[in-house]
Amino acid sequence: GEDVEQSLFLSVREGDSSVINCTYTDSSSTYLYWYKQEPGAGLQLLTYIFSNMDMKQDQRLTVLLNKKDKHLSLRIADTQTGDSAIYFCAEVSRNNNDMRFGAGTRLTVKP
Amino acid sequence: NAGVTQTPKFRILKIGQSMTLQCTQDMNHNYMYWYRQDPGMGLKLIYYSVGAGITDKGEVPNGYNVSRSTTEDFPLRLELAAPSQTSVYFCASSFAAYEQYFGPGTRLTVT
Repeated sequence: GEDVEQSLFLSVREGDSSVINCTYTDSSSTYLYWYKQEPGAGLQLLTYIFSNMDMKQDQRLTVLLNKKDKHLSLRIADTQTGDSAIYFCAEVSRNNNDMRFGAGTRLTVKP
Repeated sequence: NAGVTQTPKFRILKIGQSMTLQCTQDMNHNYMYWYRQDPGMGLKLIYYSVGAGITDKGEVPNGYNVSRSTTEDFPLRLELAAPSQTSVYFCASSFAAYEQYFGPGTRLTVT
């Protein structure tokens, strides 16, 4: 089946940039998403990118898409302790009616 | 708009008991989904629905049933609870196969 993979952990210092990476296998992906999950809460949509785009910037968030390598990244500038959470990469393809999620990257921000 | 609401927030079941997890959305979304999230893992799709009267199995449907008699409601039924069904259950909805909006989750323990 088609997979979405992420590294499980990332630790950064407050004020540094964080980069969370994701790879996917479905070449027909149309939209790719980043969700944030804080402890004990549901998933909150952070941002998304359409597959014909290379980059999208939204305040402190920058999403980069390398469609040739099927690689997606989320950069958080000036990372704050409130950014500590689990970040999920997800994709929707033309072939599916469902969304496929990675296992999530736990971001820890140290003061 | 309340968005996606789920009840109950928490539940403890004995092995073999039955229960229904409720999910309601007020955004007039046609797509609805049920996921389970096991500790330290990503989301696995249980069932989804692309409209009232239509349901389809996801990745892990065994032990569950769903119905979709209205656009707003998408209940998930566990008939014979097993310890392997201990998990956090998330309901989500979307307009077509685009970004999904999640409920706060139901934490279920089967002992």
